[in-house]
Amino acid sequence: EAQVTQNPRYLITVTGKKLTVTCSQNMNHEYMSWYRQDPGLGLRQIYYSMNVEVTDKGDVPEGYKVSRKEKRNFPLILESPSPNQTSLYFCASSTTYRTGELFFGEGSRLTVL
Amino acid sequence: DAKTTQPPSMDCAEGRAANLPCNHSTISGNEYVYWYRQIHSQGPQYIIHGLKNNETNEMASLIITEDRKSSTLILPHATLRDTAVYYCIVRPTDQTGANNLFFGTGTRLTIIP
Repeated sequence: EAQVTQNPRYLITVTGKKLTVTCSQNMNHEYMSWYRQDPGLGLRQIYYSMNVEVTDKGDVPEGYKVSRKEKRNFPLILESPSPNQTSLYFCASSTTYRTGELFFGEGSRLTVL
Repeated sequence: DAKTTQPPSMDCAEGRAANLPCNHSTISGNEYVYWYRQIHSQGPQYIIHGLKNNETNEMASLIITEDRKSSTLILPHATLRDTAVYYCIVRPTDQTGANNLFFGTGTRLTIIP
């Protein structure tokens, strides 16, 4: 089954404790991205990747890092999480950046205390 | 990019057709109309997209007016599982590598038993 898999789905952590949210897709997609969703602010893009070893900042990249060493994986790294990073995170992928047909993961709800 | 206007909420009886309107009066000739939905806090799900002509797939139909300033998403036989927030998105055909979709606030559709 074609899917985008995120882990963990739920996480409660404390300020400053490094964490990684993994994202993996099994569709051989070139393009991947991360969004966060907050009440009243909608979905905002954090980082995106057009292909392996090619990543760039989205609208709200501060406090996040990403890497794209393999085509299928696009982890989101919070080096020193803060409470304002409490949010619902979504990973998405598409065949290329030229299509607007994105496949989204189920989401990762992160709480930073 | 052109922005869209959608009613904040709508109800529809189960089994009836759900017609969700979207206004995109500032759309330009090279911009597609995309529709997504988000069920509860799951990842957004692609539904359909179009440029000028009406489109139909297994999920829905998309009707775009001749002047392209508005469109309607039609769910032909709504079920309770169609209860979700529906997003109308305008996206240029020559999208940059960011492929950043602006989801807005959408329409919360509630299917009534």
